[in-house]
Amino acid sequence: ETGVTQSPTHLIKTRGQQVTLRCSSQSGHNTVSWYQQALGQGPQFIFQYYREEENGRGNFPPRFSGLQFPNYSSELNVNALELDDSALYLCASSIGTGNFYGYTFGSGTRLTVV
Amino acid sequence: GQQVMQIPQYQHVQEGEDFTTYCNSSTTLSNIQWYKQRPGGHPVFLIQLVKSGEVKKQKRLTFQFGEAKKNSSLHITATQTTDVGTYFCAGRAPGNTGKLIFGQGTTLQVKP
Repeated sequence: ETGVTQSPTHLIKTRGQQVTLRCSSQSGHNTVSWYQQALGQGPQFIFQYYREEENGRGNFPPRFSGLQFPNYSSELNVNALELDDSALYLCASSIGTGNFYGYTFGSGTRLTVV
Repeated sequence: GQQVMQIPQYQHVQEGEDFTTYCNSSTTLSNIQWYKQRPGGHPVFLIQLVKSGEVKKQKRLTFQFGEAKKNSSLHITATQTTDVGTYFCAGRAPGNTGKLIFGQGTTLQVKP
């Protein structure tokens, strides 16, 4: 059984650029949630996808968007990057919407915006 | 909006001492989860509490969910150096919004 895999592990982008982060969910998991974790802070909820539909969104602007594919893998897209977008982006998969099970997190993508 | 607060932010203990972190939500929760994140790592799920007043134990770790389902605590008995890391609580509001809100975490340092 594979866990949650995220790619790339590290990324450096310039302000104003666009970025796509990828996540493969754990086998058997149909829900993917994305979190942003700034240094020394707790993970901040971006949004969740369940069966290819968005199922909840946090306080992030529309330039943060996502997709979930039929195989339950997911992408996080961020347009018009800002310096404050520099953070660790975590993908978490679960069975259902997490009301009965905990999340399995990937190792994250460290995004640096310069 | 829903907020989850944790205290203390940092805790330094001598190996063998006990440790407790507290979690408070601004709203009633349907359930609460606890995660541990080692330095440089990612959050790892520890446990979920669902019922009012629920207490669960995992070896030296004891988790409690308050009667009003607005607060929770994690207590570690006789800490070990392997307990080092940041402990997060994460609460879910009633309804199927998919939104699991994390606290800021408590970072535990254990001196051998």
